[in-house]
Amino acid sequence: KQEVTQIPAALSVPEGENLVLNCSFTDSAIYNLQWFRQDPGKGLTSLLLIQSSQREQTSGRLNASLDKSSGRSTLYIAASQPGDSATYLCAVEMDSSYKLIFGSGTRLLVRP
Amino acid sequence: ETGVTQTPRHLVMGMTNKKSLKCEQHLGHNAMYWYKQSAKKPLELMFVYSLEERVENNSVPSRFSPECPNSSHLFLHLHTLQPEDSALYLCASSQGQVSSGANVLTFGAGSRLTVL
Repeated sequence: KQEVTQIPAALSVPEGENLVLNCSFTDSAIYNLQWFRQDPGKGLTSLLLIQSSQREQTSGRLNASLDKSSGRSTLYIAASQPGDSATYLCAVEMDSSYKLIFGSGTRLLVRP
Repeated sequence: ETGVTQTPRHLVMGMTNKKSLKCEQHLGHNAMYWYKQSAKKPLELMFVYSLEERVENNSVPSRFSPECPNSSHLFLHLHTLQPEDSALYLCASSQGQVSSGANVLTFGAGSRLTVL
């Protein structure tokens, strides 16, 4: 059974710092991995999707990497801003499946 | 109006009530999803509809009853719920057949349900 773990559960950093969020999964037979952002009381916003054949994806200050064999993904946020404060969720989609299996998220606070 | 819209945003109900959550998408997608987000637990997939046909029922109790009358609307009918069903219920939609994978989901803002 696939399990997705995100560490740390919460993170507080000063503005301007570069940071890394971690996601690990137990079954490497994934189809893709996605990173989402969730603001308090809101739904999820898709940030990046990495196909299983890819190593990384970039969007602005965000860079997500995928090491499928070791069951790990990282989300790198450069030059963090207070507006980046949110919960970040990773989710994996299994082969031949439409189910997204989510981690519990990392709650990020960027202090001005 | 664009995106995925959920109503009501907040709902308080007793255990004997019958209520419904509504989801509407204006993106032309053909797959719709219900997810449950409980405190301190990962999001859990409840139901998936593709082209108005239910393709997934993830061991959800029968007190939750989904309905998808067309590709733009999805309902979750609630009956005889328990306090532990209190959660944020998120609707999502995606483009393309669900079996093709690589679906990028667009989520609604959620309906916060409290069962007394």
